[in-house]
Amino acid sequence: NAGVTQTPKFQVLKTGQSMTLQCAQDMNHNSMYWYRQDPGMGLRLIYYSASEGTTDKGEVPNGYNVSRLNKREFSLRLESAAPSQTSVYFCASSLGLSVNTDTQYFGPGTRLTVL
Amino acid sequence: KNQVEQSPQSLIILEGKNCTLQCNYTVSPFSNLRWYKQDTGRGPVSLTIMTFSENTKSNGRYTATLDADTKQSSLHITASQLSDSASYICVDPNDYKLSFGAGTTVTVRA
Repeated sequence: NAGVTQTPKFQVLKTGQSMTLQCAQDMNHNSMYWYRQDPGMGLRLIYYSASEGTTDKGEVPNGYNVSRLNKREFSLRLESAAPSQTSVYFCASSLGLSVNTDTQYFGPGTRLTVL
Repeated sequence: KNQVEQSPQSLIILEGKNCTLQCNYTVSPFSNLRWYKQDTGRGPVSLTIMTFSENTKSNGRYTATLDADTKQSSLHITASQLSDSASYICVDPNDYKLSFGAGTTVTVRA
């Protein structure tokens, strides 16, 4: 099992460009998440999907959109990239949505730079 | 303000030595507090999950403690190895989401 995979690993964009970060999991998990990690700060939740067909905003959703394509795949789109979106993006998945009982498994991350 | 505060921000230790990382959380966990290990360039990996009923829990050379009264947790690394070089993140479940600390970066030198 590959676990959680993300593409691309690295990306450089110019301000105003758009792109989609891809995430897939092969653990048959129901819930998936997108986080961003910035220096000196903890991971912050952008969006999450409790189950196939549902998505909800997290702590920092502005400037992002998501699509839960199917049970395996959850994509994150930046419509008009800004330098403030320079960050490392992590996708995660868990069997269920309960943060008390379900462990989240993380992908390797995408390092995005917006010039 | 981050609801999970970790200290120190970073530390350097010699291989074979012990170290202790601290975590103060301000949001009472429903049932548990977690520690994750994040290697450079990788995603976080769960190290241990502590419930209210556990005040000490070990995972190999890693031992976590939890004091729910003072809202403090610590992670002790025994007989450090070069592979322990990583960021260690304290995580507090809060409603539907996890609150992540900024992490302590541990560098183990030979």
